[in-house]
Amino acid sequence: GAVVSQHPSWVICKSGTSVKIECRSLDFQATTMFWYRQFPKQSLMLMATSNEGSKATYEQGVEKDKFLINHASLTLSTLTVTSAHPEDSSFYICSASQGGAFLEQFFGPGTRLTVL
Amino acid sequence: DAKTTQPNSMESNEEEPVHLPCNHSTISGTDYIHWYRQLPSQGPEYVIHGLTSNVNNRMASLAIAEDRKSSTLILHRATLRDAAVYYCILSNPQGAQKLVFGQGTRLTINP
Repeated sequence: GAVVSQHPSWVICKSGTSVKIECRSLDFQATTMFWYRQFPKQSLMLMATSNEGSKATYEQGVEKDKFLINHASLTLSTLTVTSAHPEDSSFYICSASQGGAFLEQFFGPGTRLTVL
Repeated sequence: DAKTTQPNSMESNEEEPVHLPCNHSTISGTDYIHWYRQLPSQGPEYVIHGLTSNVNNRMASLAIAEDRKSSTLILHRATLRDAAVYYCILSNPQGAQKLVFGQGTRLTINP
């Protein structure tokens, strides 16, 4: 149980286009979902926290108008990278939490975005 | 968020125990200690968590110092599939509901 999927697993796009990444909790309802970005050889960097039905909370330095997050249901959150540029190329990972005292998060397999 | 300190890398041999240390000297009384690991090109996966007492599960054991300022993740019999980056993370359920990843320890397992 507690499986999180992401789609697509990889995407290549041209500079200036927008890309949508989906994150789904397959067998549980996620009260909170998180989006991370990871550059090669680096750790995960939290981008934003989203709760179902409310606006996402972005970490300092993350442009909310560039990285649009929608959490319309308890099983689906989407991240849209708008007007992507080569510097947005990265590994994007989502996670989902059911809440609870110890805040275990279940991570998706990641989406590798390459912007040409 | 309270900070953790881990060695950048460690190396061990297959079928031997591995002890991965983590220092968290500024831990608060309500901070949970989480361990996650990330295999190459994958999302992280949960390993274990604890608050005060030592914990065991099918993947690993977590030994927490009496003063809670450090902890050790123990892999009892390492396999090649345990080669990954291991992250020790503190989180407080009474605070922001998020995990902040540090640099972690890159564990190499020699056959």
